[in-house]
Amino acid sequence: EAQVTQNPRYLITVTGKKLTVTCSQNMNHEYMSWYRQDPGLGLRQIYYSMNVEVTDKGDVPEGYKVSRKEKRNFPLILESPSPNQTSLYFCASRGLAGKGAETQYFGPGTRLLVL
Amino acid sequence: QKEVEQDPGPLSVPEGAIVSLNCTYSNSAFQYFMWYRQYSRKGPELLMYTYSSGNKEDGRFTAQVDKSSKYISLFIRDSQPSDSATYLCAMSKSSQGAQKLVFGQGTRLTINP
Repeated sequence: EAQVTQNPRYLITVTGKKLTVTCSQNMNHEYMSWYRQDPGLGLRQIYYSMNVEVTDKGDVPEGYKVSRKEKRNFPLILESPSPNQTSLYFCASRGLAGKGAETQYFGPGTRLLVL
Repeated sequence: QKEVEQDPGPLSVPEGAIVSLNCTYSNSAFQYFMWYRQYSRKGPELLMYTYSSGNKEDGRFTAQVDKSSKYISLFIRDSQPSDSATYLCAMSKSSQGAQKLVFGQGTRLTINP
């Protein structure tokens, strides 16, 4: 089954404690991205990656890091989380070209609370 | 001003009603228009995809794009309780490569049995 998986699904942490949210896809997609979803603001892109070792900032990259060492994995790293990073996070992937490239597949989401 | 505006609702209608969901946008470079459906505690999933102006129908769902007015709509006929979800419009300038999707805020829809 084609899917994007994220872990953990729920996370409560304290300010300043480094955390990583993992993301993995099994569709051999080149393009992967991270979004945060906040009430009234919709989905905003944090970072994206066009392929292995190729990453770039989205609209709201401050306070986040990513890496793309393998095609299937795209972890999101919060080096020093702050309360304003409390949000619902989604990982997504899609192909870069050809039929189906317009379809972006989303993971189930990670709900993060930073105290 | 946001690039894409969507009424967040919430919108509550009886089963069987016709539902109209709408988005307006300001960037005339957008060429590709999408509607995503997001059930509670799930990620968004692509529901409809259209290119440029016109209508596209898929079962009970019709997507409409009016580029001259910078306005897109999603119509749901014979609405069912299973249609209860948040609907997000999204749009982009290209369908390939590193095209960036810009999302509306989402409209929360409830269909009452």
